[in-house]
Amino acid sequence: ETGVTQSPTHLIKTRGQQVTLRCSSQSGHNTVSWYQQALGQGPQFIFQYYREEENGRGNFPPRFSGLQFPNYSSELNVNALELDDSALYLCASSLGGEELNTEAFFGQGTRLTVV
Amino acid sequence: KQEVTQIPAALSVPEGENLVLNCSFTDSAIYNLQWFRQDPGKGLTSLLLIQSSQREQTSGRLNASLDKSSGRSTLYIAASQPGDSATYLCAVPGANNLFFGTGTRLTVIP
Repeated sequence: ETGVTQSPTHLIKTRGQQVTLRCSSQSGHNTVSWYQQALGQGPQFIFQYYREEENGRGNFPPRFSGLQFPNYSSELNVNALELDDSALYLCASSLGGEELNTEAFFGQGTRLTVV
Repeated sequence: KQEVTQIPAALSVPEGENLVLNCSFTDSAIYNLQWFRQDPGKGLTSLLLIQSSQREQTSGRLNASLDKSSGRSTLYIAASQPGDSATYLCAVPGANNLFFGTGTRLTVIP
């Protein structure tokens, strides 16, 4: 059991709306990363948060934004939703900083459908 | 940019067979390699993490090997079971992210 929890598990939104996805990291982990996984593809990196600061970003537009809270939980916000944003959104928890060889643990994902 | 490739994309085997899944990566300067399992529509379950200093890692019926110099890793599954049916993904770390392959979809036929 990984201890990483995501909410909600499923979500349907209309094009143009905004959405917030949530992730609780595993106890003792200070780093949260978000990934987007389209059907039949591998997960694509959106961004990472380490100790409440953004610590790297993938090739996603600024309408994808995030937050990390003092308890290391995190939010992913997507504005002006587009049909192509429909995907499984995955949150990964790890111990970052000087620990480079640590294992990443994933939540069960949030399935977002944009109609 | 790191690129990760997994072959085959899909594999179907009868129950009880031993099988090998392949993963290759273009940049050998990696700290580790991680294998994951993903059931349809679900999140990723970590199976094995191999550090760059290791050549093999075992967990139950699973054995993963890593050859950094050739940019390859294999996941060996012994005595496959229908419950092993899932997509298997390998991933290598970048500066602050993981690079994933597109996975191998395994079906074990009873």
